[in-house]
Amino acid sequence: AQKITQTQPGMFVQEKEAVTLDCTYDTSDQSYGLFWYKQPSSGEMIFLIYQGSYDEQNATEGRYSLNFQKARKSANLVISASQLGDSAMYFCAMFRGANNLFFGTGTRLTVIP
Amino acid sequence: DAGVTQSPTHLIKTRGQQVTLRCSPKSGHDTVSWYQQALGQGPQFIFQYYEEEERQRGNFPDRFSGHQFPNYSSELNVNALLLGDSALYLCASSRGAQGLAGKTQYFGPGTRLLVL
Repeated sequence: AQKITQTQPGMFVQEKEAVTLDCTYDTSDQSYGLFWYKQPSSGEMIFLIYQGSYDEQNATEGRYSLNFQKARKSANLVISASQLGDSAMYFCAMFRGANNLFFGTGTRLTVIP
Repeated sequence: DAGVTQSPTHLIKTRGQQVTLRCSPKSGHDTVSWYQQALGQGPQFIFQYYEEEERQRGNFPDRFSGHQFPNYSSELNVNALLLGDSALYLCASSRGAQGLAGKTQYFGPGTRLLVL
């Protein structure tokens, strides 16, 4: 069975600094996909970045990058040059059964001016 | 390019009542998934609709049912509401494409349901 673990309930980062949000996963599938979503207080889940298990390069999307270490089963999100608008909940997720997403418990990020 | 839309944004019901939530997918998407997010938790998968049929279902009772229309929009129905059904209900749309990357799910703003 799939499992997603986010061990950091809350994180603080100074504006303009980089921050890493941790995510470890467990699956018996050989082919899988990992996602990060941002959820502001408004509630909408915003897709940030995707990493496929067979992708050789770490995914990057603007200020977001995914530090994918397959052997360690970790998929950490790195946000560079943090902005005040980055304050939100961040969820790591993976496909379960190739059709639905299984989410971790989330990390609340607070950016300090 | 319109994103995923949901209605209503907020809803208050009493125990035992029935509720219908609506979702319109992102343009070009044909698959709709529904998730329930209780306060302080991650979203939990309810079910997914593709080609007007329920393709997969999570661990939710039969009180939760759904429908997908020919235009790919979808409804989530919950009967005999319980206090524990109070949550944020999120709809996500995707393409029923081959390959995991093509199945990236994009979420709507959600419907906040409060059951009194």
